[in-house]
Amino acid sequence: AQSVAQPEDQVNVAEGNPLTVKCTYSVSGNPYLFWYVQYPNRGLQFLLKYITGDNLVKGSYGFEAEFNKSQTSFHLKKPSALVSDSALYFCAVRDSRGFQKLVFGTGTRLLVSP
Amino acid sequence: GAGVSQSPSNKVTEKGKDVELRCDPISGHTALYWYRQSLGQGLEFLIYFQGNSAPDKSGLPSDRFSAERTGGSVSTLTIQRTQQEDSAVYLCASSLAEYEQYFGPGTRLTVT
Repeated sequence: AQSVAQPEDQVNVAEGNPLTVKCTYSVSGNPYLFWYVQYPNRGLQFLLKYITGDNLVKGSYGFEAEFNKSQTSFHLKKPSALVSDSALYFCAVRDSRGFQKLVFGTGTRLLVSP
Repeated sequence: GAGVSQSPSNKVTEKGKDVELRCDPISGHTALYWYRQSLGQGLEFLIYFQGNSAPDKSGLPSDRFSAERTGGSVSTLTIQRTQQEDSAVYLCASSLAEYEQYFGPGTRLTVT
């Protein structure tokens, strides 16, 4: 069975500083990994995905994530945080076989202070 | 183009009543998913539809929950005899390929 762990309930960072939101996963077979962001009273917005290929994937709004197979991690990063990045971030995983459900982590709230 | 839409955006119902939640996926997307987001349970998978295949109902929490997808497009999630623990945000998503899913804004269900 697939699972995702987001060990931090909240991450605080000052505007302009780099940010990292952590995610580790467990899946049988090859993982498909995703990051989504949720703003208040909104649905989930897709940020980026890892399917195969380069371990560093780039996504929307300047975010990127690094796939590390040996550490089973897929941390979300951004070189310079913006106040508008403050939101709830979800990591998700699914098995690579066919159309399947996403298994989500519990979410990490990112607070970027001015 | 238009994204995934859901209606109603908010629904307040009395315990024991039935409710129907609607999802309009992105045109052409062959897969449609329902999830539930609640404070205690996080984001939970409920059911998904893929083309003409039998739906995967493995996430439905009880037989009070059912869903259908008509004509490979619109989907309706029905909750019968609602209970207070059904209160949550119900999210619908669709996908074209077997990769990223695109989510609608959700329906906030409150059972009083």
